[in-house]
Amino acid sequence: SQTIHQWPATLVQPVGSPLSLECTVEGTSNPNLYWYRQAAGRGLQLLFYSVGIGQISSEVPQNLSASRPQDRQFILSSKKLLLSDSGFYLCACRRGHEQYFGPGTRLTVT
Amino acid sequence: SQQGEEDPQALSIQEGENATMNCSYKTSINNLQWYRQNSGRGLVHLILIRSNEREKHSGRLRVTLDTSKKSSSLLITASRAADTASYFCATEMANAGKSTFGDGTTLTVKP
Repeated sequence: SQTIHQWPATLVQPVGSPLSLECTVEGTSNPNLYWYRQAAGRGLQLLFYSVGIGQISSEVPQNLSASRPQDRQFILSSKKLLLSDSGFYLCACRRGHEQYFGPGTRLTVT
Repeated sequence: SQQGEEDPQALSIQEGENATMNCSYKTSINNLQWYRQNSGRGLVHLILIRSNEREKHSGRLRVTLDTSKKSSSLLITASRAADTASYFCATEMANAGKSTFGDGTTLTVKP
């Protein structure tokens, strides 16, 4: 079965600083991969998804970007963080119609 | 915009009671899924129901789907304190390859 790794678990960054969150997947090949953001007490907002290396679909216009340099690696980045980028970031992979989630990264922009 | 909306937003019950959560959506779907999230953790898939199904069971979970009303319900029977979590529905349209999540129902089961 697949395992999703995310790091770091928590991150505190100042406004205007860059961001790089990494997600790696074990136990499956050629997965569909997803980045979500969750605000406190809310549901998941889909940010990006990828069906293969170098293939990224953006769901919400924002100052974030995503890359997939390897089959099982998905990276979320920003050149300059905004206060509104704070939240809980979740990476997921898909098998069939089910999604499997990583443990998440709690980002606080100060 | 959110496709799925859960109701109620919060639910508090005693251990042993049943918990029912509802999800409404707006457009035709291929399937609907329910997920659970413990505080500060990732989501865990619970159950999937396809658009041509009306009811599914998994252990103490029972899910119904009414496509004419565009709604689904999740019933947890004989609840336990360990069922305390947030529960989300996620809808997927045909050939979409992605799901849309609601804002969830926060369930508290008091021992």
